[in-house]
This record gives sequence, C-alpha cells and structure tokens, in this order.
Amino acid sequence: NAGVTQTPKFRILKIGQSMTLQCTQDMNHNYMYWYRQDPGMGLKLIYYSVGAGITDKGEVPNGYNVSRSTTEDFPLRLELAAPSQTSVYFCASSYSDTKNTEAFFGQGTRLTVV
Amino acid sequence: GNSVTQMEGPVTLSEEAFLTINCTYTATGYPSLFWYVQYPGEGLQLLLKATKADDKGSNKGFEATYRKETTSFHLEKGSVQVSDSAVYFCALRADSGSARQLTFGSGTQLTVLP
Repeated sequence: NAGVTQTPKFRILKIGQSMTLQCTQDMNHNYMYWYRQDPGMGLKLIYYSVGAGITDKGEVPNGYNVSRSTTEDFPLRLELAAPSQTSVYFCASSYSDTKNTEAFFGQGTRLTVV
Repeated sequence: GNSVTQMEGPVTLSEEAFLTINCTYTATGYPSLFWYVQYPGEGLQLLLKATKADDKGSNKGFEATYRKETTSFHLEKGSVQVSDSAVYFCALRADSGSARQLTFGSGTQLTVLP
C-alpha cells in the first residue's frame, strides 16, 4: 500500500521562486491536509480539503495556495518563496473528520528557501 | 482555542529504562487524544489513541490513559529499546466545527542508547 505519497523529498528554492509540492493518496480519503513543521514546534495546519473541489484555510495559509481537482491529489503551491517558508511540509489524509479518526501522513518535504 | 503541551526534550535513556512523556491539553468538550511517532526520515504514524475519558490506548508496549480530571494523556513504556528512538507527538481532535482538525504538541525527541 502506497498510502500518502509526497514529492519531492528535499528542495532548495531561491527567494522569490515558486514551486508546487505534490501529494497523492490511494486510500480514497475525502479529507486531505497540509501541515508545516518548524523546529521545536508542533505541526501547523496550512490548508485542508473536505473533498474534490472544496478547500479551506487552516491556521497559517499566507503565502500558499492549494487546489483539489481529484480525490487523490492535493498539491500545495508556494508563490514568491520567502525564508520564513523554510520548513518541513507534511501532507495527510483521513477518511472522515470525526473526532475519532486518525490521519495518515506522507514522508514529508524538507524545503529550504535561501 | 485548543492546545496541546508536551514535555520538552530531548530525552535520552538507556535501553530497558522506563519512559514517561508528559502531555496535557486544553479543549472544550470531549476531544479524542492521539500519540503519533515519527521515526527518522519518515512521516508521522499513529502510535495509539483514546476517544473518551479513562480509555487506555496501547500499542507496541506503549500506553497512555485519557485523564479528563487532569486533562492529561501521558505516554509510558516500561522498557524502551533502541528502536524506539524517534520523535513523539501528542495530538487532539476536538468534538465539532473547524476545530476538528488535529492539534499537535511540539514533539519530544527520544534517544535510546544501547
């Protein structure tokens, strides 16, 4: 089972460049999430989606955009990269958003903006 | 809003030592509580969970009991192994609304020495 797959695993960007972090899941989950993990901090929710065509902002959405054209894919777009976006990014999915539901995570993308 | 506070790391133990990682939370209603583990180079994976007061979650020798009176969900293991070296995250998922998204603590790095 592939689960949640993220690409790339590592990336270095220059300030002002843009890129897309890819995320795909093969579990037919409706709910998908993007988190960022900064050193010594918990994961912060950037954006989430409750199904194809529906997305919403999380706690820290500024500087990012998402789309959800299919159930499987949930790419995260960084426009005009800034050093403050240096972080580890995790994509996750779950079959529902009830409180008992666990989330499944990808392996992460380590992004450095210089 | 909801929040999770974990004991700060890093924690270094010798093999077969007893482990406790403290976790307390703030939330309205009756959230579900989770422990996730992140092994080096990997994404987060669910270790255990508890969905109501006095529930005990257990897996791989780890245990945690949902204590509503002390708003705590401390992780314990009687005898740690080198393979338990990882980062451990406490998290909660609230009852309703947008707060249903997972809220994470800052993580505790555990290193077990042979």
